[in-house]
Amino acid sequence: DIQMTQSPSSLSASVGDRVTISCRASQSISTLLNWYQQKPGKAPKILIYAASTLQSGVPSRFSGSGSGTEFTLTISSLQPDDFAIYYCQQSYSTVFTFGPGTKVDFK
Amino acid sequence: QVQLQESGPGLVKPSETLSLTCTVSGGSISRDAFHWNWIRQSAGKGLEWIGRISVTGSTNLNPSLKSRVTISLDTSKNQFSLNLRSLSAADTAMYYCARVPLTRGILGDFFDSWGQGTRVTVSS
Repeated sequence: DIQMTQSPSSLSASVGDRVTISCRASQSISTLLNWYQQKPGKAPKILIYAASTLQSGVPSRFSGSGSGTEFTLTISSLQPDDFAIYYCQQSYSTVFTFGPGTKVDFK
Repeated sequence: QVQLQESGPGLVKPSETLSLTCTVSGGSISRDAFHWNWIRQSAGKGLEWIGRISVTGSTNLNPSLKSRVTISLDTSKNQFSLNLRSLSAADTAMYYCARVPLTRGILGDFFDSWGQGTRVTVSS
């Protein structure tokens, strides 16, 4: 299986901050990388697919970049609704795997 | 707007079989435009993809669970189901069903719609 890692595992930030979350794959996955947001008691929600394509309805403050093994999710100006856990997921392999998550909470 | 809803027992005994159903509303499960998936989430293993089924009934399963998993489709009820055999405490998790739109490989596979999840505890 392709192993996914994320850093940091958690971060504290304030409203208006620029937030960057990293995701690394154990082998090259081209741009077949997706990002999800999960809030307590809810299912994950797709934010970005194919590394940089914003899902319809997702605010433009979210952006994704990267290819190969290194990927980044950026929130340009953190909003109160953005405090959540963020996961990356690869679909290069037919065995889909997720990162362990990055928790974004209030500073 | 498609909606997915999981159903099944919340408590199952060790060594027994878990049977979960995902009911899809707001769209036909028979459209050859999606794969239908099961995913689980536990504190110990995080998010773990279990497997998927296509409209033809073809399945892809996570090798780590393949020997214990069956996924099936019932187009007449617009449902798909998960059977997980020989349960142990390690199978305690939140179980989600989710949809993947087919992009023919160009944009990869991503889960664009999820059920709310059903919590399953394995305990005697």
